[in-house]
Amino acid sequence: GAVVSQHPSWVICKSGTSVKIECRSLDFQATTMFWYRQFPKQSLMLMATSNEGSKATYEQGVEKDKFLINHASLTLSTLTVTSAHPEDSSFYICSASTSGNYNEQFFGPGTRLTVL
Amino acid sequence: DAKTTQPPSMDCAEGRAANLPCNHSTISGNEYVYWYRQIHSQGPQYIIHGLKNNETNEMASLIITEDRKSSTLILPHATLRDTAVYYCIVRGINTGNQFYFGTGTSLTVIP
Repeated sequence: GAVVSQHPSWVICKSGTSVKIECRSLDFQATTMFWYRQFPKQSLMLMATSNEGSKATYEQGVEKDKFLINHASLTLSTLTVTSAHPEDSSFYICSASTSGNYNEQFFGPGTRLTVL
Repeated sequence: DAKTTQPPSMDCAEGRAANLPCNHSTISGNEYVYWYRQIHSQGPQYIIHGLKNNETNEMASLIITEDRKSSTLILPHATLRDTAVYYCIVRGINTGNQFYFGTGTSLTVIP
C-alpha cells in the first residue's frame, strides 16, 4: 500500500514552454501533498505544500507564479512549470501524506525535467 | 525544525552492519527522528522513525540516545542494494508534516 505515482517520469521541452507534472496517490487519500526539487548531487529542496482544495503554501524563494500547484482532489496534485528555462531543469519529486502530524510521507518516483 | 548533521559519506563491507550516525542536538521534546534513503534517481524511501525509544523493523534499527541529541541507523547486514544516500530528518508537531532534508550520508556497500 501507500503508493505514489508521478507522470511523466521524464520530459524534455523547449525553453519558454510550460510543463505539467502529475502526482497521484494510488491507494490512499492524501490530505497533503508536497513538491520537492533536486539538482544533481544535491539534497531535496521543499518547494511547496498543498492541501486539497486550498492554495499551496510556497517556501521562501520559490516563485508561485512560475510553479503553479493545483491539488483538486485527495488523490491528485499537479505542478506546472510555466515558461520553463534551462535553469529549471531538475528532478521534481512529489510526496503525499494523510492527516495527522506524525504520519510518514510517501514519495513518488520523481520526474526528470530537461529544458533545452 | 531542528537541523541535523550527518557525515557526507561512509563505506561498509557487504554482509557487515552499517551504522549511520546523525546529530540533532537542538531537537525539542515533541520532535520525531525520521530516516529515509534515496537510491540514485529515485524518490526517497521511508526506513524508520522514532521519538525516544529504540525502534526496529524489517529494514533497520534506530537507536536514539537518552538525551535525544543524536541517533544511529543500523542496517544489520548490508547488501549492495543498500548503497544509497541516507537522510536523517527531524520533524516537529506544528510544521504541517513538512520534511526539510539535509545533505545526508552517501553509503557505499563494498563487495
